[in-house]
Amino acid sequence: DIQMTQSPSTVSASVGDRVTITCRASQSVGRWLAWYQQKPGMAPRVLIYKASTLESGVPSRFSGSGSGTEFALTISSLQPDDFATYYCQHYDSSSPWTFGQGTKVEIK
Amino acid sequence: EVQLLESWGGLVQPGGSLRLSCAASGFAFSIYGMSWVRQAPGKGLEWVSSISGGLTRTTKHADSVKGRITISRDNSKNTVYLQMNSLRAEDTAIYYCAALEGEGDCSTGTCYVHEFFRHWGQGTLVSVSS
Repeated sequence: DIQMTQSPSTVSASVGDRVTITCRASQSVGRWLAWYQQKPGMAPRVLIYKASTLESGVPSRFSGSGSGTEFALTISSLQPDDFATYYCQHYDSSSPWTFGQGTKVEIK
Repeated sequence: EVQLLESWGGLVQPGGSLRLSCAASGFAFSIYGMSWVRQAPGKGLEWVSSISGGLTRTTKHADSVKGRITISRDNSKNTVYLQMNSLRAEDTAIYYCAALEGEGDCSTGTCYVHEFFRHWGQGTLVSVSS
């Protein structure tokens, strides 16, 4: 199975900060990479798919980049609603779906 | 509006069985793949099982549940099921139903459909304990 590794595990940031979370795949997944946001007690929701395509309704301060084995999720200006845990997930159908371990964005 | 509503999970003894259901609405259920993803308390997300849409109804299972879990769907009821047997303490988790969204790709010479979890239910807690 493809292993997904996120870094950092926790980010302490302030409102207005630029935040970048990285995700590394143990082998190439092309651009078949999605990012999810999860708030406490709630289901995850997709933010970005195909590495950089913004899901409908997701604010434009979120962006995704990368291909192959290296990916990033960037929040250009952190808002109070963005404090949550973020997961990357590959969906290359040649291998079972796997998620990164998650990155918690917390208030500094 | 897409809605996915899981049935109540509950408390099950080790070795016991439980069937979860997920009722879908707001989209053409029969043509979409469906999955179950779980999250152990305080832990990350783990894909459990999936079933394709259309006529093939191909199923896939994570190695951690293979042989103990069966996924099925009833398109006449817009419902997907997860039958869990021989439950273990480590199966304790919130179980989410998710609808898949896919894109075909033949760039490698072999055609695949790559699907991500586009819509999620609210989740249902399954606790396995004596």
